[in-house]
Amino acid sequence: DAMVIQNPRYQVTQFGKPVTLSCSQTLNHNVMYWYQQKSSQAPKLLFHYYDKDFNNEADTPDNFQSRRPNTSFCFLDIRSPGLGDAAMYLCATSSYGGANYGYTFGSGTRLTVV
Amino acid sequence: GENVEQHPSTLSVQEGDSAVIKCTYSDSASNYFPWYKQELGKGPQLIIDIRSNVGEKKDQRIAVTLNKTAKHFSLHITETQPEDSAVYFCAASTDNQGGKLIFGQGTELSVKP
Repeated sequence: DAMVIQNPRYQVTQFGKPVTLSCSQTLNHNVMYWYQQKSSQAPKLLFHYYDKDFNNEADTPDNFQSRRPNTSFCFLDIRSPGLGDAAMYLCATSSYGGANYGYTFGSGTRLTVV
Repeated sequence: GENVEQHPSTLSVQEGDSAVIKCTYSDSASNYFPWYKQELGKGPQLIIDIRSNVGEKKDQRIAVTLNKTAKHFSLHITETQPEDSAVYFCAASTDNQGGKLIFGQGTELSVKP
């Protein structure tokens, strides 16, 4: 089945140690999104790629970066994780913005910072 | 930018009763309104969606209504079951700017047997 896959499901990293989360899709969707979801809160958009064009949200900290080497893969890099970055990170995809074709979410990666 | 408000934040109903969750949005350009169910430790799962050219949509026990003039939309769950217990999120997006999906704050639904 076509889907969005996030690896790993659980990630533990040390305070200040760079960490990378990955997302892959078999849907051939041209838009990929990264959301941060803290406990009991709504998912918050960090940034998205429209094809190769990177779009950063104004309030996304510089500590968060993203790479999209090809259509299928997108990475979230956290350069120096702090305790406040512990959260569920959700990847989503859509075709041309989603209003016509919807969005598909991965199962998320839960990041713990120790 | 778009802002989505969702109420109530918690909702407790008896099994078999109906549950209604309401959302309002601010951007009149928004044209797509999905609802997601999120169980503990999992990603959001789409349960129903509606586009701006439709006023109501139903899928078995779940229905969504949209009032474009008032900029609000609602989720209706009938004959609730314990397995409906979860956090529900409404969201809104447009075709512009890559169609960013903006979420409401979520409603924790508890269905008591």
